[in-house]
Amino acid sequence: AQTVTQSQPEMSVQEAETVTLSCTYDTSESDYYLFWYKQPPSRQMILVIRQEAYKQQNATENRFSVNFQKAAKSFSLKISDSQLGDAAMYFCAYPTSGTYKYIFGTGTRLKVLA
Amino acid sequence: NAGVTQTPKFQVLKTGQSMTLQCAQDMNHNSMYWYRQDPGMGLRLIYYSASEGTTDKGEVPNGYNVSRLNKREFSLRLESAAPSQTSVYFCASSNQKGWKLFFGSGTQLSVL
Repeated sequence: AQTVTQSQPEMSVQEAETVTLSCTYDTSESDYYLFWYKQPPSRQMILVIRQEAYKQQNATENRFSVNFQKAAKSFSLKISDSQLGDAAMYFCAYPTSGTYKYIFGTGTRLKVLA
Repeated sequence: NAGVTQTPKFQVLKTGQSMTLQCAQDMNHNSMYWYRQDPGMGLRLIYYSASEGTTDKGEVPNGYNVSRLNKREFSLRLESAAPSQTSVYFCASSNQKGWKLFFGSGTQLSVL
């Protein structure tokens, strides 16, 4: 069965510092996509970054980057120069091929300390 | 474009009451989804519809029914609400494999 695991329920980071959120997944597919979503207190779901598994290059969006290790089935999110507005729940997600069911991890709550 | 519109935003029900959550998207997406979000459990898929006229069960379908009325609309019905269905419900849509999900703003449902 395909699964997504986020083992850190909560993380804290000082403003302007760097933090890494972990995500592992289980799949037998060779071509797939991975996502990180952010959910601030407003409850809105915001796409942070998307990675295509067939691309070896790690995706980057401004201060957000991923460390994608396909063999290890690991997809971590690095946030550089953390800002107070980064405080939110972060979800890792994986859409299964064929059925297009998007599976989410349990989330990591990120606190940013001033 | 409104994107994904979900109503209502808040609802309080008594045990045993029924209600329907409405969802509509104006992006001509084929796939639509209903998730529930509970503390510590992430988003869990209730039902999804890969295309107009089809629906399939997700991870937690018990106690729910869905209707894909047309390509735009995908409703979720609770026939006899239970306290265990107290949750935040999200509707979402997507157009193709590997593309992002577009989410509605969520419905906070409390069942007393």
